[in-house]
Amino acid sequence: ETGVTQSPTHLIKTRGQQVTLRCSSQSGHNTVSWYQQALGQGPQFIFQYYREEENGRGNFPPRFSGLQFPNYSSELNVNALELDDSALYLCASSLIWYTEAFFGQGTRLTVV
Amino acid sequence: GESVGLHLPTLSVQEGDNSIINCAYSNSASDYFIWYKQESGKGPQFIIDIRSNMDKRQGQRVTVLLNKTVKHLSLQIAATQPGDSAVYFCAENSSGNTGKLIFGQGTTLQVKP
Repeated sequence: ETGVTQSPTHLIKTRGQQVTLRCSSQSGHNTVSWYQQALGQGPQFIFQYYREEENGRGNFPPRFSGLQFPNYSSELNVNALELDDSALYLCASSLIWYTEAFFGQGTRLTVV
Repeated sequence: GESVGLHLPTLSVQEGDNSIINCAYSNSASDYFIWYKQESGKGPQFIIDIRSNMDKRQGQRVTVLLNKTVKHLSLQIAATQPGDSAVYFCAENSSGNTGKLIFGQGTTLQVKP
């Protein structure tokens, strides 16, 4: 059984650019959630996908968007990057939305 | 507003001692709680969870206690080891029909040899 994997591990982008982050959920898990973690802070919920549909969204602007594929892997897209978007982006998968969530190692995004 | 708060940003304990990390939550409707451990440069690692119909749950060397009356959660680690050094987060599920977790700021546990 493989765990949650994210790619890339590190990324540097310029302000105004667009970025796509990827996540492969743990085998058998149909729910994927994305979180943003600023340095020294706890993770903040961005949104969740359950069986390819968005199932809840946090307080993030529309330039943060996502997608879940039939194999339950997921993408997080961020348009018009801002300096404050620099953070660790975490993906978590769970068997179903109300059970324990397991996190990947994260993608460290730096916007310059 | 929503919040999950952690008491004490840093906890320093001697190796072999027991550690207690505390957490206060604000939403009395929350029905699911998880403790995570996060080491530097890594994603949060699931430790133990508890649902609101329980007040205590035990795992390997860890115990979570839930006091719904005062909206308080604690994580007890027995015989703390150097490998337990990390940041610990409590997380709360309060949204009812989604798996949105609300995290606190975290408590850093330092284990002295």
